[in-house]
Amino acid sequence: GAGVSQSPSNKVTEKGKDVELRCDPISGHTALYWYRQSLGQGLEFLIYFQGNSAPDKSGLPSDRFSAERTGGSVSTLTIQRTQQEDSAVYLCASSLDGGGPNEQFFGPGTRLTVL
Amino acid sequence: AQSVTQPDIHITVSEGASLELRCNYSYGATPYLFWYVQSPGQGLQLLLKYFSGDTLVQGIKGFEAEFKRSQSSFNLRKPSVHWSDAAEYFCAVGRAAGNKLTFGGGTRVLVKP
Repeated sequence: GAGVSQSPSNKVTEKGKDVELRCDPISGHTALYWYRQSLGQGLEFLIYFQGNSAPDKSGLPSDRFSAERTGGSVSTLTIQRTQQEDSAVYLCASSLDGGGPNEQFFGPGTRLTVL
Repeated sequence: AQSVTQPDIHITVSEGASLELRCNYSYGATPYLFWYVQSPGQGLQLLLKYFSGDTLVQGIKGFEAEFKRSQSSFNLRKPSVHWSDAAEYFCAVGRAAGNKLTFGGGTRVLVKP
């Protein structure tokens, strides 16, 4: 595809359930980022992948959050035992690599609502 | 730690008037600086970036920004706004290792006819 894609576009879940959010980066982009956008906290960095490794996980808010990337491409962000404060738009971005001021191309996001 | 401040939460401007959005950053070294725009229901789109060289950078859609090291600022400007410029604008700072972005709180721009 031409851009970063994310699925699902919307997810409504009940408190305590686990959710998986998927990101397909632009082909050939080795760097992949997850961010969260919420009313209270604005846009926050969550995790950065270079290839399949995650050298920076400093933004993950708790151990309920985890992410993986396979084949240097698709990434999945998993939230276990969701809480209402996890409600937000989760944005994925990719760039050619993470070593310089390369443009990060953002996907449309997944809006997560925890009831 | 790096941080970004956008002092104006909302700005209303008349169509055809000039626009300036303020951005101040805190970072211990020469930063990478970015401006992104987010239209309603859309993802983030890069307007322009600065990492070295000429401190006045040109971007897409007629936007420009000026890096002022002495003021730790990277203000965004457009000489004449169009109704389609109504959106939320985010300033961000990145760093060399991994280039994770730290965003400001955003400025929402409303364009009056």
